[in-house]
Amino acid sequence: NAGVTQTPKFRVLKTGQSMTLLCAQDMNHEYMYWYRQDPGMGLRLIHYSVGEGTTAKGEVPDGYNVSRLKKQNFLLGLESAAPSQTSVYFCASSSSFLLAGAKNIQYFGAGTRLSVL
Amino acid sequence: ELKVEQNPLFLSMQEGKNYTIYCNYSTTSDRLYWYRQDPGKSLESLFVLLSNGAVKQEGRLMASLDTKARLSTLHITAAVHDLSATYFCAARNTGNQFYFGTGTSLTVIP
Repeated sequence: NAGVTQTPKFRVLKTGQSMTLLCAQDMNHEYMYWYRQDPGMGLRLIHYSVGEGTTAKGEVPDGYNVSRLKKQNFLLGLESAAPSQTSVYFCASSSSFLLAGAKNIQYFGAGTRLSVL
Repeated sequence: ELKVEQNPLFLSMQEGKNYTIYCNYSTTSDRLYWYRQDPGKSLESLFVLLSNGAVKQEGRLMASLDTKARLSTLHITAAVHDLSATYFCAARNTGNQFYFGTGTSLTVIP
């Protein structure tokens, strides 16, 4: 019962470096999300995907890119990391909202703690 | 843009006491969620509220939804130490996006 798996769990970057965070889910969910969590601000949606090959911007998309080449994977990229991107990143997945009566509970990964120096 | 406000931000309560956390949202939403997060951990789903007047209960926690007032509450009955955590509410807009409140950090003291 892996659920939603995020890699890596921790990462330290220097300003200007790039990296990719991987999210994998084994629940056959259509929807996947990337959030960042900062102290006192709750979770904020970065990007999301409603199906393989589709992505959309969330509340705070600047400085990030995403790809959903396979249904089970959702990648979050930082092309040129900045100290403002120091945060805890969570991936989540849920079933499609189009299913009648679906509760669409989001299942979260364990998080990636990223520090940008 | 859908805005979600929670209060209080911090809550310290004695074991055995009751209290309520409030979650207001700014525009129409068809789903309201409550999550629990333990320090350094991920988020765990507690409740999903789908319609006006919905009430869900699990143990010492009870959640309700009033869509007309755009208000959800999480009521804690006879608090115990194990309930210490941060609680988040989240609302979904019509565009498949979720907006979270800032969270309520609950500490239950003996």
